Amino acid sequence: GAGVSQSPSNKVTEKGKDVELRCDPISGHTALYWYRQSLGQGLEFLIYFQGNSAPDKSGLPSDRFSAERTGGSVSTLTIQRTQQEDSAVYLCASSRQAQMNTEAFFGQGTRLTVV
Amino acid sequence: AQTVTQSQPEMSVQEAETVTLSCTYDTSESDYYLFWYKQPPSRQMILVIRQEAYKQQNATENRFSVNFQKAAKSFSLKISDSQLGDAAMYFCAYKGRDRDDKIIFGKGTRLHILP
Repeated sequence: GAGVSQSPSNKVTEKGKDVELRCDPISGHTALYWYRQSLGQGLEFLIYFQGNSAPDKSGLPSDRFSAERTGGSVSTLTIQRTQQEDSAVYLCASSRQAQMNTEAFFGQGTRLTVV
Repeated sequence: AQTVTQSQPEMSVQEAETVTLSCTYDTSESDYYLFWYKQPPSRQMILVIRQEAYKQQNATENRFSVNFQKAAKSFSLKISDSQLGDAAMYFCAYKGRDRDDKIIFGKGTRLHILP
């Protein structure tokens, strides 16, 4: 299991329900990112975790969105009271931040559809 | 704050021809890394090429090369002998030297390969 793993790969939910998206980063990677990507569009930064530092939450679009990272490893992105505009692919990435030249490794994403 | 700009939302190139994707960035730092990522229709983001700011020599990976102009803060990607498998979304990215700096992505350029 060398890559970033995201689950579920697809999620269909009813408007108003809460959803949790999971990301298992590569072992030893201290940095973890969440992005949102609408159909055919670019990456929208959501949140960034780096080691023990306070997370950078500047990209979260509303207070319905939250994320946590337990034990410096697995992260969960939670969307409360989902809306149709939340439908998108949610991508997680991790990197070994101790080195400046390290790139981010991405998971396959979770496609969220709110109906 | 650092920014990354990709001014070409979409581009097309004939198969076997050469295409250049543009990227500019803004930073006050002198040492940093730049990256180009590819996202094919499969959605899996992969690193194409990286460049260290303190290296004057342009990075090259097979058919992919960059034109790094540090003074102009420009980092373009050249794809030679374009192939159908090169069709994808391409993202330019920047990372500062500080350990806590997050990777910053441009909005992407969608590249179409015409047979």
